[in-house]
Amino acid sequence: EPEVTQTPSHQVTQMGQEVILRCVPISNHLYFYWYRQILGQKVEFLVSFYNNEISEKSEIFDDQFSVERPDGSNFTLKIRSTKLEDSAMYFCASSEPGQGENEQFFGPGTRLTVL
Amino acid sequence: QKEVEQNSGPLSVPEGAIASLNCTYSDRGSQSFFWYRQYSGKSPELIMFIYSNGDKEDGRFTAQLNKASQYVSLLIRDSQPSDSATYLCALRDTGKLIFGQGTTLQVKP
Repeated sequence: EPEVTQTPSHQVTQMGQEVILRCVPISNHLYFYWYRQILGQKVEFLVSFYNNEISEKSEIFDDQFSVERPDGSNFTLKIRSTKLEDSAMYFCASSEPGQGENEQFFGPGTRLTVL
Repeated sequence: QKEVEQNSGPLSVPEGAIASLNCTYSDRGSQSFFWYRQYSGKSPELIMFIYSNGDKEDGRFTAQLNKASQYVSLLIRDSQPSDSATYLCALRDTGKLIFGQGTTLQVKP
C-alpha cells in the first residue's frame, strides 16, 4: 500500500542552525501539507502546497520557514534558524487530486530536537 | 478562529465494552469531520470521516455527526486493548485540518 515517507526520523540540531526535513508524498497525490505537534499538544497546521506554490500558511509559518518541491517526488520543509520552541514532531501529509473531501495521509514524522 | 474541543481523558473502558469519544466544534459552517487514531510517538492514522448528519458505520467504529449541536462522536464497539491510543477529532477548513487536543482511551483487559 502506498505511503508517505519522511526522513530523517529524528534530527538533533543546535539553536540557530538550519534544518531541512524531507518528505516523499504518495505518488499520485497533488496536495501536500506540513503539520507539527509539540510534545503533549495538539497537531497544528503549518502550510499547504499545491501546483508548486503555497496554498495556505498558518501564523506559525513565519519567514524562518519555507517549503519546496525540488523534483517530482520530494517535498521539503526548511527552518532557517532553529529556535528551542521549534522542537516538535513534524508530519508531512498528502491527499489526492480533486481535493474535495479526500483524506490526508500522514507520514511517520520527523522528531526535531533543538538544543 | 475555528476550534475543536475534546476532553483529554483518559477514558478507561474494560475490554469488550463500548467506548464513546466526543468532540465539539466552534464554527457552525464546518462540513467535514475526521477521526484519527494516534499511538504514542506515531503519526495520526485516519479511522473515519463523516460529512452528513447521522451515523456512519465501519466495522467496529461508528461516527455520529449532529450539525445542529455542533457535535461529533466516535463509538468503538467491542473495545480491544489494541484500541488504546489517543483519538483525534479534526475538521477540514479550506483544505487544512484543524485538530482537537485528542482523547486518550485506555482499554483494560
